[in-house]
Amino acid sequence: SQQGEEDPQALSIQEGENATMNCSYKTSINNLQWYRQNSGRGLVHLILIRSNEREKHSGRLRVTLDTSKKSSSLLITASRAADTASYFCATGGANSKLTFGKGITLSVRP
Amino acid sequence: EAGVVQSPRYKIIEKKQPVAFWCNPISGHNTLYWYRQNLGQGPELLIRYENEEAVDDSQLPKDRFSAERLKGVDSTLKIQPAELGDSAVYLCASSLNWGQDNEQFFGPGTRLTVL
Repeated sequence: SQQGEEDPQALSIQEGENATMNCSYKTSINNLQWYRQNSGRGLVHLILIRSNEREKHSGRLRVTLDTSKKSSSLLITASRAADTASYFCATGGANSKLTFGKGITLSVRP
Repeated sequence: EAGVVQSPRYKIIEKKQPVAFWCNPISGHNTLYWYRQNLGQGPELLIRYENEEAVDDSQLPKDRFSAERLKGVDSTLKIQPAELGDSAVYLCASSLNWGQDNEQFFGPGTRLTVL
């Protein structure tokens, strides 16, 4: 079963614009992670935010976590064509098992 | 440093045939995972190994799926016999250890098509 649910399912933006992707989950978590998957490739870990953290930055990525609303957002600033990929949120539960959402397809138009 | 290696990258078989996937994790990584990713979905865990011991195989369909990790390094995942619904991408991942905050490194996956 999948806990994380990303929103929107698909997003198309112009190069240089910011992309915001959301993830909601149902049960309590220890951490939330975002992964990227390029077409035909494996997943690449982007960023991890712990349940006691509210915001985290990594390069052009900014992740927020609101445990009261059981939601997270991933912001990619100044998007590039190379950011075109599927993005997945994954929740780490009490047993440290990762549960992935269905993913968001991001298209960045040059 | 080499990443997680999987082979084959693609496999097409007829239903009821057996199939096997191979994974070589990142050197020194004790934990190995097999995931299945259906089209348009996120990966779902099939089995997790700590060294050579399978510690979480609750999602592995044991009637037709089997896995092994001899010597705690390489791993194979087998399906026998394959069914149409087994068509998916099978991903292998590894991490240094098991526990919170451990980043998982994924291989490119094996895309299985069952005809």
